[in-house]
Amino acid sequence: AQSVAQPEDQVNVAEGNPLTVKCTYSVSGNPYLFWYVQYPNRGLQFLLKYITGDNLVKGSYGFEAEFNKSQTSFHLKKPSALVSDSALYFCAVRDDLDGGYNKLIFGAGTRLAVHP
Amino acid sequence: DTAVSQTPKYLVTQMGNDKSIKCEQNLGHDTMYWYKQDSKKFLKIMFSYNNKELIINETVPNRFSPKSPDKAHLNLHINSLELGDSAVYFCASSRSAGSYYEQYFGPGTRLTVT
Repeated sequence: AQSVAQPEDQVNVAEGNPLTVKCTYSVSGNPYLFWYVQYPNRGLQFLLKYITGDNLVKGSYGFEAEFNKSQTSFHLKKPSALVSDSALYFCAVRDDLDGGYNKLIFGAGTRLAVHP
Repeated sequence: DTAVSQTPKYLVTQMGNDKSIKCEQNLGHDTMYWYKQDSKKFLKIMFSYNNKELIINETVPNRFSPKSPDKAHLNLHINSLELGDSAVYFCASSRSAGSYYEQYFGPGTRLTVT
């Protein structure tokens, strides 16, 4: 069965410092991996995705993520955090054996707090 | 221009009532979804339609009935509302279900059942 784990409920980082939000996954086939961000009282916004190819994926707002097949991880990173990055971040996975229905399984979310 | 829109944004109602939430997308996508986000922010898919055909139907009480009149619209009707239905409901859309395109989410409808 597909699953996604985000082991940290909250990540605290000082503005200007690098940030990492962790995600590990479990699928039967090959994973399609996504990161979304949710600001308060808003819908989810797509940040980036990994489908195939280069393990380092670059996305919106300076975020990037590294796919590691051996560790079944897809951690979200940013070299220099901004206070405006404070939000709820969701990792999601789709199994390429899901019958083609684009069924995303979401992690529980990680709250990122960037302090001035 | 709003890509995925939902109405209403807030819905407060009493137990036992019937209510509907509407969703529209102007992205030209052929697949639409309904998600439920509970009070702990956990997000779970409920339904998905591809070209007006139901393709994902998760374990959801049959009090919930989605309807897709065309590819741009997906509505959610809920009968006999219960306290546990209180949540934020998100509509989303994407290009073809048989692929790996990202989903675009609406702003959400906060349903409160009293």
